[in-house]
Amino acid sequence: EAGVAQSPRYKIIEKRQSVAFWCNPISGHATLYWYQQILGQGPKLLIQFQNNGVVDDSQLPKDRFSAERLKGVDSTLKIQPAKLEDSAVYLCASSLDRGSTSGNTIYFGEGSWLTVV
Amino acid sequence: GQQLNQSPQSMFIQEGEDVSMNCTSSSIFNTWLWYKQDPGEGPVLLIALYKAGELTSNGRLTAQFGITRKDSFLNISASIPSDVGIYFCAGRSSGTYKYIFGTGTRLKVLA
Repeated sequence: EAGVAQSPRYKIIEKRQSVAFWCNPISGHATLYWYQQILGQGPKLLIQFQNNGVVDDSQLPKDRFSAERLKGVDSTLKIQPAKLEDSAVYLCASSLDRGSTSGNTIYFGEGSWLTVV
Repeated sequence: GQQLNQSPQSMFIQEGEDVSMNCTSSSIFNTWLWYKQDPGEGPVLLIALYKAGELTSNGRLTAQFGITRKDSFLNISASIPSDVGIYFCAGRSSGTYKYIFGTGTRLKVLA
């Protein structure tokens, strides 16, 4: 079974530029998550989708970050304009969430590493 | 955002030693997950726990879901150099969809 796919793996941009990250979750997984992980810290949830609806985006800086999951499968996360403090790893994850407790388990992609200079 | 209290923050151990780390929460959880993250990679799931008191092993790793449902423990037996990395716990309450992550335990193994 293929894992969570993310691209690009690495991106360097100047502040005030824009960047987009793409994620394809594990096939059949209803829930998709975007996390931000700053060096030395644990992942912080930015936005969570259940199918193509938003479940939680309370930690998403909506003045500069946006995310969509139009057909309930893959998703994009955009930052525009980027700030220096956005330098982090952006992790996409997915979970089955079809009613059983074991379906709650989340699986991560390899991450997209962003450096803003 | 809220994070779990994970302990210890970091540890140096000798190869062959056993390692213990834990995670505590102020909330009751119905799922505990343990991950390992290597440099430049995303977190990889090690063990998932779904019931209070549950004890689950994965090779040299053993994790337990605390009976109070507010804590979890991870043990690594006979550590080897490739155990180096950051270990994260994550917990989720019933009735919510949100996982909360620990602050991480950085493990360094001395050969």
